[in-house]
Amino acid sequence: DAGVTQSPTHLIKTRGQQVTLRCSPKSGHDTVSWYQQALGQGPQFIFQYYEEEERQRGNFPDRFSGHQFPNYSSELNVNALLLGDSALYLCASSLVGRDYGYTFGSGTRLTVV
Amino acid sequence: SQKIEQNSEALNIQEGKTATLTCNYTNYSPAYLQWYRQDPGRGPVFLLLIRENEKEKRKERLKVTFDTTLKQSLFHITASQPADSATYLCAQEDTGRRALTFGSGTRLQVQP
Repeated sequence: DAGVTQSPTHLIKTRGQQVTLRCSPKSGHDTVSWYQQALGQGPQFIFQYYEEEERQRGNFPDRFSGHQFPNYSSELNVNALLLGDSALYLCASSLVGRDYGYTFGSGTRLTVV
Repeated sequence: SQKIEQNSEALNIQEGKTATLTCNYTNYSPAYLQWYRQDPGRGPVFLLLIRENEKEKRKERLKVTFDTTLKQSLFHITASQPADSATYLCAQEDTGRRALTFGSGTRLQVQP
């Protein structure tokens, strides 16, 4: 049973560019959340998608946007990249009404130069 | 806003001993507390979830407690092994279950 799949694994972008990260949730999961993790810090919640709608959003600017598709996969888009956007971006999936935690992917390492 | 605090200093213990990691939270008591393990360059892996009305949860060599009076959760690994060396993250989740708030994690190093 495949877990959460994220692509690409690594990415280097220039300041001001735009980036799209992709996530396929674990089979059977219907909810996708995105987190940003800086070095030495815990992950920070960006937003969560369920039924193709953004359910909740963390304290991130509008430059961060997302989308969930009918097959539950999701994309994270970041516009006008800043050096401070360099981080590990994690996707997590879950099932509404579950009695357990989230399944995380291995992340996409984004470097902005 | 809610804050989750973990000891940022690394914890070094000898193989076979019990490792105890601490997670403190401010303000209100979260509906759920979760513990994750994270290895370098990898995503967090879910270990245990404990609800606000539960005092203790066990899974194999792992045990987590939840003290709403002290606003604290303790995570224990008994008979620790070098393979248990990793960063352990504590996270809280509200009733709506839409977002995790993580602590910064505690690095555990188990010496053979």
